[in-house]
Amino acid sequence: DAGVTQSPTHLIKTRGQQVTLRCSPKSGHDTVSWYQQALGQGPQFIFQYYEEEERQRGNFPDRFSGHQFPNYSSELNVNALLLGDSALYLCASSSGQGYTDTQYFGPGTRLTVL
Amino acid sequence: GEDVEQSLFLSVREGDSSVINCTYTDSSSTYLYWYKQEPGAGLQLLTYIFSNMDMKQDQRLTVLLNKKDKHLSLRIADTQTGDSAIYFCAEKGPGGYNKLIFGAGTRLAVHP
Repeated sequence: DAGVTQSPTHLIKTRGQQVTLRCSPKSGHDTVSWYQQALGQGPQFIFQYYEEEERQRGNFPDRFSGHQFPNYSSELNVNALLLGDSALYLCASSSGQGYTDTQYFGPGTRLTVL
Repeated sequence: GEDVEQSLFLSVREGDSSVINCTYTDSSSTYLYWYKQEPGAGLQLLTYIFSNMDMKQDQRLTVLLNKKDKHLSLRIADTQTGDSAIYFCAEKGPGGYNKLIFGAGTRLAVHP
């Protein structure tokens, strides 16, 4: 049973560029959440997708957007990259309607903005 | 507000017990979690506790919850070098869904 997978593993971009990160949830899961983890800090919630819609969002600007596909996989898009967007981006999946279920994390995508 | 606090560093001798502490702010939190992160890796769920419980034991792990003081702890018995990692406490945030609010993490160093 495959766990949560993310691609790519590492990514290097320059300021002003756009980036797309991808996530496939654990088998049987239908909810995907994205988190940003800056160096030396805990993960910060970006947003959560369920039934192909964003249903909760953290304190992140509109430059951060996402999408969920019918097969429950998800993308995170970041436009107009800033140096401060350099971080580990973690995807987590869960099942059910999302209130009581537990989130399982992928290995993350390390984004470096130069 | 939403805030989870942890001490940043803990050093223990191999074979001893480790206790990692956490305080949280949202008294309505229904679930509290402990995750482990090894270098360069994602987060591994270790255990969780429901807010109507005071204690949960899972093999070498014991979680204690003091709701009055909003204090959560993770005890690792017989700590091994493989337990060296960063441990994150997280609470379920407000809003009706399972958004997680994490602390900054406690780095556990296990030495011989």
